[in-house]
Amino acid sequence: DGGITQSPKYLFRKEGQNVTLSCEQNLNHDAMYWYRQDPGQGLRLIYYSQIVNDFQKGDIAEGYSVSREKKESFPLTVTSAQKNPTAFYLCASKRGGRSNQPQHFGDGTRLSIL
Amino acid sequence: QKEVEQDPGPLSVPEGAIVSLNCTYSNSAFQYFMWYRQYSRKGPELLMYTYSSGNKEDGRFTAQVDKSSKYISLFIRDSQPSDSATYLCAMTEISGGSNYKLTFGKGTLLTVNP
Repeated sequence: DGGITQSPKYLFRKEGQNVTLSCEQNLNHDAMYWYRQDPGQGLRLIYYSQIVNDFQKGDIAEGYSVSREKKESFPLTVTSAQKNPTAFYLCASKRGGRSNQPQHFGDGTRLSIL
Repeated sequence: QKEVEQDPGPLSVPEGAIVSLNCTYSNSAFQYFMWYRQYSRKGPELLMYTYSSGNKEDGRFTAQVDKSSKYISLFIRDSQPSDSATYLCAMTEISGGSNYKLTFGKGTLLTVNP
């Protein structure tokens, strides 16, 4: 079955530690996105990539980094510079970087601070 | 004024009721409208995707768009306990490079009681 796989489902970070969240899709989608979801705040865009080897900052990119070396993979690193990383992180993808196709989501990674 | 306003609820209805969920928006450039359903600890799942003003029906779900009033609705007929979830509206512009970005409402929490 085609879909978006996020791993791990739960992740714990120690102070000063960088952690990487995985997002893999087998939908052959061009564009991929990372969102952060906090209670009462809705979804906020962290980074997005419309094509391999290219990505742009979203609305809240500070303290995060990404790479897009393969079409199917878009990992997100939460660095120690992100002072409030506890949140639910969602990866999404869509067909055609500049198309009007809707985005489809994975099932998220919940990150907590130890 | 926020770009997208959505009543967070919670909304509680008896099984079999007709549910009406709504979003208003301020940006007249929004042209594509989506409704997502999100179960607890899961990613959002696309329910409806519309472009033009008017109604779109899919089973028990009807999406309604009124661009003149900047108002969109999702109706759920014969609601079931399995419809209990958070419903997110989302919308995007059509022009230029900005069509990558979805703007979300904060979501409405719906509970359907058996």
